[in-house]
Amino acid sequence: NAGVTQTPKFRILKIGQSMTLQCTQDMNHNYMYWYRQDPGMGLKLIYYSVGAGITDKGEVPNGYNVSRSTTEDFPLRLELAAPSQTSVYFCASIGTAQMNTEAFFGQGTRLTVV
Amino acid sequence: GNSVTQMEGPVTLSEEAFLTINCTYTATGYPSLFWYVQYPGEGLQLLLKATKADDKGSNKGFEATYRKETTSFHLEKGSVQVSDSAVYFCALSAVSGGSYIPTFGRGTSLIVHP
Repeated sequence: NAGVTQTPKFRILKIGQSMTLQCTQDMNHNYMYWYRQDPGMGLKLIYYSVGAGITDKGEVPNGYNVSRSTTEDFPLRLELAAPSQTSVYFCASIGTAQMNTEAFFGQGTRLTVV
Repeated sequence: GNSVTQMEGPVTLSEEAFLTINCTYTATGYPSLFWYVQYPGEGLQLLLKATKADDKGSNKGFEATYRKETTSFHLEKGSVQVSDSAVYFCALSAVSGGSYIPTFGRGTSLIVHP
C-alpha cells in the first residue's frame, strides 16, 4: 500500500541547475498538489492538478513547472535553481472533490540550492 | 480568500499535561476542517476531521469541535505523552474557483518533556 511516493528524499543543487521532483500515487486520485514548506511558514501551494492533462497555478508558482500526463504522476520541474527555492517539497493527493476528504502526503523532498 | 490562523509555537508541556492548540479560519461557504500531524522527517498525516458545524472529530485522545459561530477548530488532548511531540497543522478544504484546494495554517510545534 504505497500511497504517495516522492523521489528523491534529499538533493543538493547548484544555482542555475535544473531538476525534476517526482511524485506518483497508486490510489487513482484525481486531485494532486505540490506544496513547499519553509520554517514557520506552513505550506504554500505551488501548483495543482484536477486530473490528467489539467494543471493550474497555486500561490507561489514562479520558478516551477508541472505536467500531468497520467493520473498517477505529477512531476515538479525546477528550471534554474535559486537559493530561494531551498525548502522541503511535499506532494499530496485527494481522491474526490468532496470537501470532507483528507489529503494524502508523500514523505517530502528536502532541496538545498547552493 | 480562505485562510487558517493557528497559535504560534513551540508549545512546551510536561507529560500528562493538558493541551490546547487554537485554530481559527476564514472561508466562504461551509468548509470541512482538519488537523494534520507531522512527525520529524515525515509528511503530514490526518489526525482528525469535522465536516459540519458542531461536529466533533477525535482520534488517539485528541479532539476538536467545529464551531461555526466562532469560526474555530481548537485541538485538545487531556493528557499528552512524549510520543505526541510533533508539528500540528490546522487545515480547511473548500472549493475555490471551481477547484478543491486544501489550505493550511503555519503549524504549531509541540514538545512534550518526560
